[in-house]
Amino acid sequence: QSALTQPASVSGSPGQSITISCTGTSSDVGGYNYVSWYQQHPGKAPKLMIYDVSNRPSGVSNRFSGSKSGNTASLTISGLQAEDEADYYCSSYTSSSTSVVFGGGTKLTVL
Amino acid sequence: EVQLVQSGAEVKKPGESLKISCKGSGYSFTSYWIGWVRQMPGKGLEWMGIIYPGDSDTRYSPSFQGQVTISADKSISTAYLQWSSLKASDTAMYYCARVDGYNYVSDYWGQGTLVTVSS
Repeated sequence: QSALTQPASVSGSPGQSITISCTGTSSDVGGYNYVSWYQQHPGKAPKLMIYDVSNRPSGVSNRFSGSKSGNTASLTISGLQAEDEADYYCSSYTSSSTSVVFGGGTKLTVL
Repeated sequence: EVQLVQSGAEVKKPGESLKISCKGSGYSFTSYWIGWVRQMPGKGLEWMGIIYPGDSDTRYSPSFQGQVTISADKSISTAYLQWSSLKASDTAMYYCARVDGYNYVSDYWGQGTLVTVSS
């Protein structure tokens, strides 16, 4: 199956807000509220940041929020901090293979 | 505390076989799926497949069907990812993760196992 589409990179200054998009199809993002977002720092394992489109796991800052409209999901990080600099991946359940599909990843740079 | 601890880094030659492991603790191992994710050098995450240790129900991503074997031994709370004949293109970091079977969320991840295949 094809990967979900994310921008390769985004950037923002400390304190600003940024949004990362994740575009799929009606077989994945658009068809189910099973979109998750993961943060990965260099050399580290991914960390769950958002699940079921907009829910935050315990311990994740409320600066992170998620939403969805049609076939596109979005991750918004407000009040950017240096520690937010990382790669971010979206994922979704996909009915095309009864499986999971990831986005290609977005590198966030905090200027 | 939920933990997934993976086996150590491996260096293998093309054509060799390999089995890496992922041991779960701090939760009921038979009540959650375990998924495997590949990350090739400098690249993104790729979903390989999942297994339900309770009954060994296994589901593979189409891209990995026939290329690897996922298994589990619930008696020792350990899942495995296995290759019968490695290729240089299998060089990657492999992560296991605890997966919720309802929404396919990977909420806890292992530390990763680096597999290097080189002649």
